[in-house]
Amino acid sequence: EVQLVESGGVVVQPGGSLRLSCAASGFTFDDYTMHWVRQAPGKGLEWVSLISWDGGSTYYADSVKGRFTISRDNSKNSLYLQMNSLRTEDTALYYCAKDLGGIFGVVTLYGMDVWGQGTTVTVSS
Amino acid sequence: QSVLTQPPSASGTPGQRVTISCSGSSSNIGSNTVNWYQQLPGTAPKLLIYSNNQRPSGVPDRFSGSKSGTSASLAISGLQSEDEADYYCAAWDDSLNGRGVFGGGTKLTVL
Repeated sequence: EVQLVESGGVVVQPGGSLRLSCAASGFTFDDYTMHWVRQAPGKGLEWVSLISWDGGSTYYADSVKGRFTISRDNSKNSLYLQMNSLRTEDTALYYCAKDLGGIFGVVTLYGMDVWGQGTTVTVSS
Repeated sequence: QSVLTQPPSASGTPGQRVTISCSGSSSNIGSNTVNWYQQLPGTAPKLLIYSNNQRPSGVPDRFSGSKSGTSASLAISGLQSEDEADYYCAAWDDSLNGRGVFGGGTKLTVL
């Protein structure tokens, strides 16, 4: 079964740091581009970051650039999001998602066909 | 303010055909493919359409997508009560060194 399972979401104070993890199974993880997408309470989806199949290319939303770092460990079938200098507006449900594209194409958003259940990050004092 | 513009709401009766629009610009929809997602309450989003008009396996052919210039549309025919959900368009945007962008979402109500 193709599956993504996120973890690491907690309550953290403004200015704090957190690392989210996403464990992948059921597909050849290192063949695919991966994303992080978030959803603030009662709000729409916001794309956060993308990493290419080999980790060689990364992209970020302006709202997180310079504060968040996406990475992956293909030997562990895992995706990560290091979140620093957290703000209250970072409070959201964070999803990891697999892209349709990867090793055989341009690094871009083709479509996110597998999603995890999400992990909740709350930034509050 | 989302980069892609969708109407906040749409509605229809069972059996009807409804369309949801998604407006962008030359740096996103105008130069990249569009995908559409369905999000049922309390669940993760589900890919409905990719590459403007392609359906992943398992998505009913009642759902269809199209693109023209800098706009795209999702059409749902034979509307069913279980189609009541939030729908989002998305695309890659070539500006600002590249980024993904979503529409603000459309809440579809089946009357």
